[in-house]
Amino acid sequence: RKEVEQDPGPFNVPEGATVAFNCTYSNSASQSFFWYRQDCRKEPKLLMSVYSSGNEDGRFTAQLNRASQYISLLIRDSKLSDSATYLCVVNMETGGFKTIFGAGTRLFVKA
Amino acid sequence: DADVTQTPRNRITKTGKRIMLECSQTKGHDRMYWYRQDPGLGLRLIYYSFDVKDINKGEISDGYSVSRQAQAKFSLSLESAIPNQTALYFCATSDLAGVGPDTQYFGPGTRLTVL
Repeated sequence: RKEVEQDPGPFNVPEGATVAFNCTYSNSASQSFFWYRQDCRKEPKLLMSVYSSGNEDGRFTAQLNRASQYISLLIRDSKLSDSATYLCVVNMETGGFKTIFGAGTRLFVKA
Repeated sequence: DADVTQTPRNRITKTGKRIMLECSQTKGHDRMYWYRQDPGLGLRLIYYSFDVKDINKGEISDGYSVSRQAQAKFSLSLESAIPNQTALYFCATSDLAGVGPDTQYFGPGTRLTVL
C-alpha cells in the first residue's frame, strides 16, 4: 500500500462546477499536510497548507481528518485556469524527516 | 529573478557519463531537497540537507550523491548515469524557522535524458 494515495483521475468538469479530491495517508505520525498544484512540465507550487480545523482560500477549501487519515480539497466555481494536477503532500519530522508526495489528481475544466 | 534556480534546464547524456545538476536559492532557507519525478509517480526524495553540514539520504539515493557547498547551493551528481535515471529533477527549499508548516518552494526543474 502506498503511503499517500490519490485518485489519479482525470476529473473532467465544466466551468462553474464544484469538484472535490481526497487523499489518504497511512502513517498516523504524519504531522503536516499540503496541497500543491502542478501544471504540465512545471514545478509544483503550494496551493495551501491543511489544518485540522479546516481552512479556506477563496474558492478552495481544505480539510484534514486525522481519525480517518485523509485530507480533502474542494474547488468551487471551477475556472479553466484550475486545470492542473493537484498533489497531496504529507510530512513527518518525529523520528526522522519524511516527506511523501501523492502521484497527483488530474483536473480538466472545460468551457 | 526566480528564488530557486536550477542548471541546466535540459540535458541529454550517455550511459556511464558523470552529470552534475546545480541548484541555487536566494530565499535564505536552511533546508534544501532534491527530488525526481517520473510519469505516473509522485515526486520521490533523493537527498535532503537541513544545513550546510547536514546531508541525509531520502527514499531513492542509490546512484546519486550530493554536495551542499553553501547555504544557498545544493548540487546533485550522477556518478555514472544509467537510462533509468531519465526523469524530471526538482530542487526545493524550505525554512522551518518560519511560522506555520514547513512549506517547500521548488525550482523550475531539470529534464535529464540518459541514452
